[in-house]
Amino acid sequence: AQKVTQAQTEISVVEKEDVTLDCVYETRDTTYYLFWYKQPPSGELVFLIRRNSFDEQNEISGRYSWNFQKSTSSFNFTITASQVVDSAVYFCALNILTGGGNKLTFGTGTQLKVEL
Amino acid sequence: SQTIHQWPATLVQPVGSPLSLECTVEGTSNPNLYWYRQAAGRGLQLLFYSVGIGQISSEVPQNLSASRPQDRQFILSSKKLLLSDSGFYLCAYRPNYGYTFGSGTRLTVV
Repeated sequence: AQKVTQAQTEISVVEKEDVTLDCVYETRDTTYYLFWYKQPPSGELVFLIRRNSFDEQNEISGRYSWNFQKSTSSFNFTITASQVVDSAVYFCALNILTGGGNKLTFGTGTQLKVEL
Repeated sequence: SQTIHQWPATLVQPVGSPLSLECTVEGTSNPNLYWYRQAAGRGLQLLFYSVGIGQISSEVPQNLSASRPQDRQFILSSKKLLLSDSGFYLCAYRPNYGYTFGSGTRLTVV
């Protein structure tokens, strides 16, 4: 069975601090994809990144960076110099290919609050 | 370009009333389509997914059903709503790079 664990329910930081959101996943599949989504108060899910299981290269996009480590089944997300606009719920998700098609399993999300 | 439309944005329905939420995708053919529910403002639970017309897979037993009458149309229904059906419902499809979600329907059953 697939599972995604985001142990941090809520994180509060002061603007300009760096913050890391943890994600640990479980799957028996060797081929899978990992995602991060942002959900602002409006409710829409905003795609941030996709990483396949064969690519462990870390990625940086502006203030965002992702650390994928298969050895620990983790896919952590770091925001550098956080801003108030980063306040949102962040979801980590795992995609596997089943006999019936692709399925995306979400973690329970981490509420990030960035304060002035 | 590919887009996904979901409506209505908000809905207040009495217990026992029927439900129909619609989702359509444009700019792609034969997409994988999904219905998710987010209860209590947090976790997203996969309810149904479809890999083609008339093909529906249910993830959890519940008071809801889904149908796919056309290639790019995915409908979530209920014959009689329960209070526990309240939540935020999101439709999604899967283009090459990942999943794209609709803007969601906030359903309140009263």
